[in-house]
Amino acid sequence: AQRVTQPEKLLSVFKGAPVELKCNYSYSGSPELFWYVQYSRQRLQLLLRHISRESIKGFTADLNKGETSFHLKKPFAQEEDSAMYYCALLSPADGLTFGKGTHLIIQP
Amino acid sequence: SAVISQKPSRDICQRGTSLTIQCQVDSQVTMMFWYRQQPGQSLTLIATANQGSEATYESGFVIDKFPISRPNLTFSTLTVSNMSPEDSSIYLCSVGWGIGELFFGEGSRLTVL
Repeated sequence: AQRVTQPEKLLSVFKGAPVELKCNYSYSGSPELFWYVQYSRQRLQLLLRHISRESIKGFTADLNKGETSFHLKKPFAQEEDSAMYYCALLSPADGLTFGKGTHLIIQP
Repeated sequence: SAVISQKPSRDICQRGTSLTIQCQVDSQVTMMFWYRQQPGQSLTLIATANQGSEATYESGFVIDKFPISRPNLTFSTLTVSNMSPEDSSIYLCSVGWGIGELFFGEGSRLTVL
């Protein structure tokens, strides 16, 4: 069965510092991976997907099949980045599987 | 994108009672899903709501406990039956058209006493 692991429940960094939210996955096929974000008092929404290879709000994520990772990175954190971040893996058989989430806090 | 309205946004219920959560979407969608997010846990898929037929339940979830309706392409309900404190959770409706991207409602926070 597929699995998504986010080892950090909470990550606190200072404004302007680099951010890396870790995500590792377990899946036998070719994965499709996503990052979802939930800001305070807002609904869960898609941040980015690995297929698009895009940078959203300064965040990027690279799929590393050798390390089975899809870490989310931003070079300079901003206070408005504080949120819950969920890594998710999509498979045809099991649909979308979410990690447990990482609460990112950006300190001023 | 889609605008998803869930009702109620929160409720406090007594043990043994049932609660129905409604999900209304502002456009026709192919896929509708119901998720549960227990305190400190990830989102867990309960079932896929199928229009005009019985929902498809994930392992660990059964129709008697979580009956789901989907009468058309824009509306679905999830009932949490015979509730116990362990059912206290956030229940989320989500929709999608194709691969990957899901749009979520704001969730219904249920507390069972």
